[in-house]
Amino acid sequence: AQSVTQLGSHVSVSEGALVLLRCNYSSSVPPYLFWYVQYPNQGLQLLLKYTSAATLVKGINGFEAEFKKSETSFHLTKPSAHMSDAAEYFCAVSAGSTNAGKSTFGDGTTLTVKP
Amino acid sequence: DTAVSQTPKYLVTQMGNDKSIKCEQNLGHDTMYWYKQDSKKFLKIMFSYNNKELIINETVPNRFSPKSPDKAHLNLHINSLELGDSAVYFCASSRIDPGFRDGYTFGSGTRLTVV
Repeated sequence: AQSVTQLGSHVSVSEGALVLLRCNYSSSVPPYLFWYVQYPNQGLQLLLKYTSAATLVKGINGFEAEFKKSETSFHLTKPSAHMSDAAEYFCAVSAGSTNAGKSTFGDGTTLTVKP
Repeated sequence: DTAVSQTPKYLVTQMGNDKSIKCEQNLGHDTMYWYKQDSKKFLKIMFSYNNKELIINETVPNRFSPKSPDKAHLNLHINSLELGDSAVYFCASSRIDPGFRDGYTFGSGTRLTVV
């Protein structure tokens, strides 16, 4: 079984401020973890992924995330928010081949960036 | 050049009608998925095919029937449409190797509105 909890359905930051989007997961096997971004009226785009290599992973658009097994967390951060970062962000967990690549998504976090 | 393409992008239809959504990927991926995103943006897996074989079939009404003529195409046919079927349907694809670690590539979605 696998599940994801994203803490905070809405996060608002000022332009230039730190972005922190929280994700906690549950998985019966070592997980693969993903963050996706969805801009209005578009599909989801992969931001970054954790697949049991380095625990600190870097993605596109200056985002990074750290896998913490002891806390079952995979929080997404960006040092300085840009207006173009405003979007919906989804954390997802997968057990890889164990469950045929099925990804379970969190409920999403809407990021608003204020000028 | 679109990696995962869905048609149509918008679909407005009356209750009781039958409709189909088509998806094609040119990435050479082995596995394709259908996800449903509801009005609250919750994403839920519906089906998954691996090289034309159905491998994931979540609890979805029998009115929904996926078909995969080859590993590059996955279509979704919906019979007797109901108001509750209104949602955005996303097609996605992924590679089996290495162990589904790459995450998904999503299409841009089909917004289905049943009136």
